[in-house]
Amino acid sequence: GQQLNQSPQSMFIQEGEDVSMNCTSSSIFNTWLWYKQEPGEGPVLLIALYKAGELTSNGRLTAQFGITRKDSFLNISASIPSDVGIYFCAGRKRNGANSKLTFGKGITLSVRP
Amino acid sequence: NAGVTQTPKFRVLKTGQSMTLLCAQDMNHEYMYWYRQDPGMGLRLIHYSVGEGTTAKGEVPDGYNVSRLKKQNFLLGLESAAPSQTSVYFCASSWGTVMWAQHFGDGTRLSIL
Repeated sequence: GQQLNQSPQSMFIQEGEDVSMNCTSSSIFNTWLWYKQEPGEGPVLLIALYKAGELTSNGRLTAQFGITRKDSFLNISASIPSDVGIYFCAGRKRNGANSKLTFGKGITLSVRP
Repeated sequence: NAGVTQTPKFRVLKTGQSMTLLCAQDMNHEYMYWYRQDPGMGLRLIHYSVGEGTTAKGEVPDGYNVSRLKKQNFLLGLESAAPSQTSVYFCASSWGTVMWAQHFGDGTRLSIL
């Protein structure tokens, strides 16, 4: 099936640092979503992007819908220990009743105090 | 407001046994989804529903059946459980054509021995 590429699989940063993650595909997507998953819980939506070039912030998080529509970026500024978790990107290729989300494999973020 | 609720949270089955996972949402969402999450694989769509009484196959439907008899409930059934179905199962729901973001439950951890 269609893949969204997230790498590396794990990232280790120091508290207070900024971190950037990207998500890429060989295909065009019309919607990009970023989710965070903490242990024992389901993914929680962080940011949704609906237009190419869109830049959206949610607190210390900022995400961008790539201008080519084949990628998206998530930035976390001034990281804190509670930012630990798995960050998934997800994309939808088209609108309509049968359009489905494709998920990346996720990036596990660790924050050292 | 409970959002998306999955029951049970944990279950251990023997190979060949059957069981049903229940997902309930109280947000009046039209769309509901079942995913499985395996280490290093991200989230993979099993089946989904675009409305009451409708179901459709996702990426990995084999060995599973679903039913959507009521709008708020989406059931996932395993008729004859196999060890390969050991996974964490997530249910999600979303609006139809306006809001694309999916809201997830906290998951059901299923082990098949």
